[in-house]
Amino acid sequence: QQQVKQSPQSLIVQKGGISIINCAYENTAFDYFPWYQQFPGKGPALLIAIRPDVSEKKEGRFTISFNKSAKQFSLHIMDSQPGDSATYFCAADNTGKLIFGQGTTLQVKP
Amino acid sequence: ETGVTQSPTHLIKTRGQQVTLRCSSQSGHNTVSWYQQALGQGPQFIFQYYREEENGRGNFPPRFSGLQFPNYSSELNVNALELDDSALYLCASSFIGLGTVYEQYFGPGTRLTVT
Repeated sequence: QQQVKQSPQSLIVQKGGISIINCAYENTAFDYFPWYQQFPGKGPALLIAIRPDVSEKKEGRFTISFNKSAKQFSLHIMDSQPGDSATYFCAADNTGKLIFGQGTTLQVKP
Repeated sequence: ETGVTQSPTHLIKTRGQQVTLRCSSQSGHNTVSWYQQALGQGPQFIFQYYREEENGRGNFPPRFSGLQFPNYSSELNVNALELDDSALYLCASSFIGLGTVYEQYFGPGTRLTVT
């Protein structure tokens, strides 16, 4: 019940395209859903986060879509850039203990 | 940059040895969480410290222990190192207030290699 499943494992997108990463969770007690971006050799950086009282949150080129009934949420990166090439992790939380997905390695081709 | 610092950056230890990793939390934060990230995996929660007390623990054996100091910095200690302990150890800083947990900000991590 504590799992967060993330897909796809890897993603290749052309510059200017839309990158979409999906996550599903089981524990309905989760009430905070952040996305982290991690570059090689660095710690994860908080990108954007959502709570289940809204269905969508947008910050710049990054949007989280949240479907409470399906227990799914996704990250959309609009106008993807080569600098967005990194590993992305979704996570879920309700007690301050983040449960992470397995990660998606995104490559944006110039 | 998050303002969370960790030391050392890299560490090589031998199986059976003990190791101490350190973390300084971001200014204004009162909570430190530790995570283990194996190569190619997502971070796994080890434990969290709030007000110098352990405030939750993940599925890690007792040879993983920690401390939080009055200035909210923290240490992670691992005894009897095993080869599988080789990983990136991440510290995350956050604020807990009025029962609400706020965003966690990660440090750069300590890369531990056990040979």
